[in-house]
Amino acid sequence: EPEVTQTPSHQVTQMGQEVILRCVPISNHLYFYWYRQILGQKVEFLVSFYNNEISEKSEIFDDQFSVERPDGSNFTLKIRSTKLEDSAMYFCASRQGTGGAYGYTFGSGTRLTVV
Amino acid sequence: QKEVEQNSGPLSVPEGAIASLNCTYSDRGSQSFFWYRQYSGKSPELIMFIYSNGDKEDGRFTAQLNKASQYVSLLIRDSQPSDSATYLCAVNGIQGAQKLVFGQGTRLTINP
Repeated sequence: EPEVTQTPSHQVTQMGQEVILRCVPISNHLYFYWYRQILGQKVEFLVSFYNNEISEKSEIFDDQFSVERPDGSNFTLKIRSTKLEDSAMYFCASRQGTGGAYGYTFGSGTRLTVV
Repeated sequence: QKEVEQNSGPLSVPEGAIASLNCTYSDRGSQSFFWYRQYSGKSPELIMFIYSNGDKEDGRFTAQLNKASQYVSLLIRDSQPSDSATYLCAVNGIQGAQKLVFGQGTRLTINP
């Protein structure tokens, strides 16, 4: 069964450093998403991406964050100048289409720890 | 008002019994409704989704949707200890947006 692949599985970074989280969505999917989950809290939407541009972003997704699809297969989330409160699990998801009949497939996540 | 609400639990069910998980949502225009299972430290794993009123069955799982009551539920028949996890309800199409909005999850424990 096709999978969404995320790397790395765990990243530790110092506060103030930049990190790039990588995702390879399912090949025939067109809609891409980043979510995060702070330990013990609910899964929160960060950003959606379609046709090489951001479709929607949440209040969390401020100027510190950016997304890119550099080569037609990878989908990246960059966090500039990380803060302690950025420590969370980050999940990439993809979807083949919109509308009620299409599910969202999540990757295995990247655990980001900011120290 | 929270967009997607679930009882956080924990919900404890004996092995072999039916586990019933409930979820309500605030936006009457929501389009589709998802149930995910999440083990501790892992990513959400899709169990099933539903977008029409009524019941949808997949193996031991049945999703029920009542749009008039803005209510969706998941029944797990013949519960197994391996079903012990946090179950996330997620709604697509709140305020017309194509994204998932999650509830806080219900922690389910199946007791042998």
